[in-house]
Amino acid sequence: DAGVIQSPRHEVTEMGQEVTLRCKPISGHNSLFWYRQTMMRGLELLIYFNNNVPIDDSGMPEDRFSAKMPNASFSTLKIQPSEPRDSAVYFCASRKTGTGNEKLFFGSGTQLSVL
Amino acid sequence: AQSVAQPEDQVNVAEGNPLTVKCTYSVSGNPYLFWYVQYPNRGLQFLLKYITGDNLVKGSYGFEAEFNKSQTSFHLKKPSALVSDSALYFCAVRDRDNAGNMLTFGGGTRLMVKP
Repeated sequence: DAGVIQSPRHEVTEMGQEVTLRCKPISGHNSLFWYRQTMMRGLELLIYFNNNVPIDDSGMPEDRFSAKMPNASFSTLKIQPSEPRDSAVYFCASRKTGTGNEKLFFGSGTQLSVL
Repeated sequence: AQSVAQPEDQVNVAEGNPLTVKCTYSVSGNPYLFWYVQYPNRGLQFLLKYITGDNLVKGSYGFEAEFNKSQTSFHLKKPSALVSDSALYFCAVRDRDNAGNMLTFGGGTRLMVKP
């Protein structure tokens, strides 16, 4: 299996522009998580989905952030409009619930720089 | 609410010496505990987990961790450090008895192993 695939690896954009981050979870996994990593705040959970349904989005910083999971093999995290303080590494992760394994698999991350 | 504390921002160890990276947690129920490692410019990789059973858990790359319920700790250890172990280490916890699905991460500890 190719693992969790995120794209793009790097994104540089200007303030005010729309940014879309993409994630393909591991096939067969039914939970998907979006995390943000910054120097100041460490790893923060933004939102997670179970069976394509958003379960908890309390970590989403504000209305400029939105996430979708139209099907079991694809999710997007959108920032519109983007701001310099959104600069961070965004990780997508997936797992298969109900197995007792509990292991979370992470993608390589998207490095976002908002100028 | 659940939380994880990694009290050391950085741990410095000489190659060949034993290493310990500290982690304490707080959950209302029983914990699932995890260690993840992040190498430079890479995503997070699973190292080991405690779900139930033996308090001493062995994981990848010679790492182990001991679950101590009375001290609510899950310190990561390795008998002999390698320079290649230098990375960022994250401890994480999930409440086993909570129907929610969230994994909470500590702030991370940078391990520097010097030759």
